[in-house]
Amino acid sequence: AQSVTQLDSHVSVSEGTPVLLRCNYSSSYSPSLFWYVQHPNKGLQLLLKYTSAATLVKGINGFEAEFKKSETSFHLTKPSAHMSDAAEYFCVVSAILYGGSQGNLIFGKGTKLSVKP
Amino acid sequence: GAGVSQSPSNKVTEKGKDVELRCDPISGHTALYWYRQSLGQGLEFLIYFQGNSAPDKSGLPSDRFSAERTGGSVSTLTIQRTQQEDSAVYLCASSLVAGEQFFGPGTRLTVL
Repeated sequence: AQSVTQLDSHVSVSEGTPVLLRCNYSSSYSPSLFWYVQHPNKGLQLLLKYTSAATLVKGINGFEAEFKKSETSFHLTKPSAHMSDAAEYFCVVSAILYGGSQGNLIFGKGTKLSVKP
Repeated sequence: GAGVSQSPSNKVTEKGKDVELRCDPISGHTALYWYRQSLGQGLEFLIYFQGNSAPDKSGLPSDRFSAERTGGSVSTLTIQRTQQEDSAVYLCASSLVAGEQFFGPGTRLTVL
């Protein structure tokens, strides 16, 4: 079975400082991993996805994540936080169906990012 | 064309009543998913439709919940005899086969 664990429910950073949101995964197969962002009263938006092509994945708005199989981690980073980055971030793994195809998404509990001026 | 749309955006109902939530997926997307986002449980998968295959209902929390997808497009999630613990935001997503899932804005359900 697949699962993800987000290690921090809330992260607070100052504008202009680096962002690190931590995620560990568990999967019996080579996983497909994602980060989604949800701004207040807005829908879920895909930030980036890992599908085994490259371990360092670049996403939108300057975010990137590195897949580390030895550590079963997929942490999200950004060099310099912006006020507009304040949102909730979800680490997500895709369920693997019988036959190997991808199915529904399995979400972590979320990390709320606050950005102080 | 447009993204995934859901209606209504907000629904307030009384305990014990039935509700229907609608999802219009992106045109051409063969896969459609329902999820629920609640304070206590986070984001949970409910049900998955793929083309003409039998839906994956493994995430439905009880037999009060059902969903159908007519003509491979619009989907309706029905909750019978609503309970207060059903209060949540119900999210719909669609995708091409094994592709990125695009989410709708959700329906906020409040059961009084």
